Amino acid sequence: KNEVEQSPQNLTAQEGEFITINCSYSVGISALHWLQQHPGGGIVSLFMLSSGKKKHGRLIATINIQEKHSSLHITASHPRDSAVYICAVNRGAQKLVFGQGTRLTINP
Amino acid sequence: DAGVIQSPRHEVTEMGQEVTLRCKPISGHNSLFWYRQTMMRGLELLIYFNNNVPIDDSGMPEDRFSAKMPNASFSTLKIQPSEPRDSAVYFCASSLERQGYGGYTFGSGTRLTVV
Repeated sequence: KNEVEQSPQNLTAQEGEFITINCSYSVGISALHWLQQHPGGGIVSLFMLSSGKKKHGRLIATINIQEKHSSLHITASHPRDSAVYICAVNRGAQKLVFGQGTRLTINP
Repeated sequence: DAGVIQSPRHEVTEMGQEVTLRCKPISGHNSLFWYRQTMMRGLELLIYFNNNVPIDDSGMPEDRFSAKMPNASFSTLKIQPSEPRDSAVYFCASSLERQGYGGYTFGSGTRLTVV
């Protein structure tokens, strides 16, 4: 079993829908990261969380340390949100362990 | 800041050849990471440096892989000899370690194809 599990693996939705991507982890962490990888391949760091909730534009990330669970939400989704979203956790000071990613496709 | 700069963007080489990937981290960042991404295994940490010193190289697949960071503004990942199974996208990332962890900035990656 992977230390970081994401669901769903693939998600297709219509423009405007509310999107939720989930991440569960089985190890102690110091922080959790949400990353976005576009079809061109570049990786962008969206959020780093150690507790609570963060919001940036239409993106919201939450984490529940007790339940070892995080969610990434996208409100009013748009085709340009289509990408692979990757959850990663810090084990120890700097080492990142990655989930397998969720491929999101938003259709117009 | 131009971000994390990797070169080359694409590399095609023949099996057995030496390959060198290069990375320039963000100025002022004190940690640098090399990751490999494949369809089968996703993203994997190969090695990371803190203040130019290798801290964890447990992800380096075998002796054919080596990484150096001679100064705070440059790192290399070398594969010698290269094999087709090394084909992957290699990402470099940097961060400023504060209180044990920091946000990461990734380079655009080097897509390596070994034929």
